[in-house]
Amino acid sequence: AQSVTQPDIHITVSEGASLELRCNYSYGATPYLFWYVQSPGQGLQLLLKYFSGDTLVQGIKGFEAEFKRSQSSFNLRKPSVHWSDAAEYFCAVGGTGANNLFFGTGTRLTVIP
Amino acid sequence: DAGVIQSPRHEVTEMGQEVTLRCKPISGHNSLFWYRQTMMRGLELLIYFNNNVPIDDSGMPEDRFSAKMPNASFSTLKIQPSEPRDSAVYFCASSLALVNNSPLHFGNGTRLTVT
Repeated sequence: AQSVTQPDIHITVSEGASLELRCNYSYGATPYLFWYVQSPGQGLQLLLKYFSGDTLVQGIKGFEAEFKRSQSSFNLRKPSVHWSDAAEYFCAVGGTGANNLFFGTGTRLTVIP
Repeated sequence: DAGVIQSPRHEVTEMGQEVTLRCKPISGHNSLFWYRQTMMRGLELLIYFNNNVPIDDSGMPEDRFSAKMPNASFSTLKIQPSEPRDSAVYFCASSLALVNNSPLHFGNGTRLTVT
C-alpha cells in the first residue's frame, strides 16, 4: 500500500540556518515524488517533483530534494532559510496518475529571527 | 494565469443547511480534484473528474456529499444537509492531465464551519 511518513510534525530553525525536512514513503513500484508548501490561508504550491533521472532535484525558492531509493526517502533541503519560508510542507507520492497522489501529514516550519 | 479559483473563501452555516462550494479550474486543465483538509485526517481526496466526467468518488464520505462538473470551467461540491463534523478546509485542484507528470495546482480553499 502507498503511504507517506513525515516524522517531524513541527520544526523550528533560525533564519539563515540550514533546513532538512524528512519524508519516507512506501510504494510498490517506482514512485513519483513531490513536495508542496502551504502558507497560512493558502492552497498547496508545488515546490519540486521527482519522476526519474538525477536523484537530486532542484525546485523553486532555493529548495532541493534528494531521492534515495535504498532508504525510501525524499528529504527536502535548503541551505539557508528565510523568514518567508515559514509554512507547512507536504511530501506526496504518486503512481500512475495524479488521482493516486498520497500526501503526508505535513511538517510545520517555524523560522525565528 | 489566474490559477484555480474557489469561492467562497469562508463559509459559516448552521447544521442542516445546504452548502455549495465552487471551483473554477485553470483554463485548459482536463482534470479536477476536490480535497478536504482537517487536522485529524490531513488531506483527503474526495472525488476527481477527467474531462468533466466523475472518475472516482470513493472518497466522498457520505451521500450527503455530491459534486458536479457541468462544463470544463466550473465545478461544485455540495453538502446537504451539513453537519458540524463537515467543518474543514475544502480544496479544489486541477491538472493538465490525469498522468503522473502533471502536477496538481491548488486553489486557496474554502474554510467551512458548520455550527
